[in-house]
Amino acid sequence: GDSVTQMEGPVTLSEEAFLTINCTYTATGYPSLFWYVQYPGEGLQLLLKATKADDKGSNKGFEATYRKETTSFHLEKGSVQVSDSAVYFCALLNDNQGGKLIFGQGTELSVKP
Amino acid sequence: SQTIHQWPATLVQPVGSPLSLECTVEGTSNPNLYWYRQAAGRGLQLLFYSVGIGQISSEVPQNLSASRPQDRQFILSSKKLLLSDSGFYLCAWRREVLNGYTFGSGTRLTVV
Repeated sequence: GDSVTQMEGPVTLSEEAFLTINCTYTATGYPSLFWYVQYPGEGLQLLLKATKADDKGSNKGFEATYRKETTSFHLEKGSVQVSDSAVYFCALLNDNQGGKLIFGQGTELSVKP
Repeated sequence: SQTIHQWPATLVQPVGSPLSLECTVEGTSNPNLYWYRQAAGRGLQLLFYSVGIGQISSEVPQNLSASRPQDRQFILSSKKLLLSDSGFYLCAWRREVLNGYTFGSGTRLTVV
């Protein structure tokens, strides 16, 4: 079945460092791809999304490009802040597979001042 | 606007006690509704989903059950909690196609 694999954390960076969190997926058809963020003690918030190949999702300085040839949706940010410390989840939604949102295991990011 | 409510926010229950977590959605009709669980240090696992009143699909065998007595109400239950039921439970509903899910604020359940 469909699946999502993320790089393992925790990832620790200094403020203003460049961030990459890798995400690859396995799916039939043409899923939509998402990044969700979970701040400490809170639920999940949608960070960005892309619905077709070569789409770039962006929000709050974060970007991810839907790469069908490499089945990837890596999350990037040019300059992280302490307030970006959170757990980031990559996810796919495949309407060919019942429209269920399937998550990666999450990557914890810690940004130090 | 559409909102989703979950309660309680935190819950500590003894082993063997019953459980009822409630989720309601406002501002939409006939939403798809979902229950996820996040165990400590682990990812999110889909437990149940519902596409309409009285329609429940279970994704994994477990000690929990779900019900949808009204269009915008989704309840997660257990008759007897196990230690392994501890975790962070998230309710979600699906907006229109391609827009993903919207999540509630979650319930942190600790079984002692």
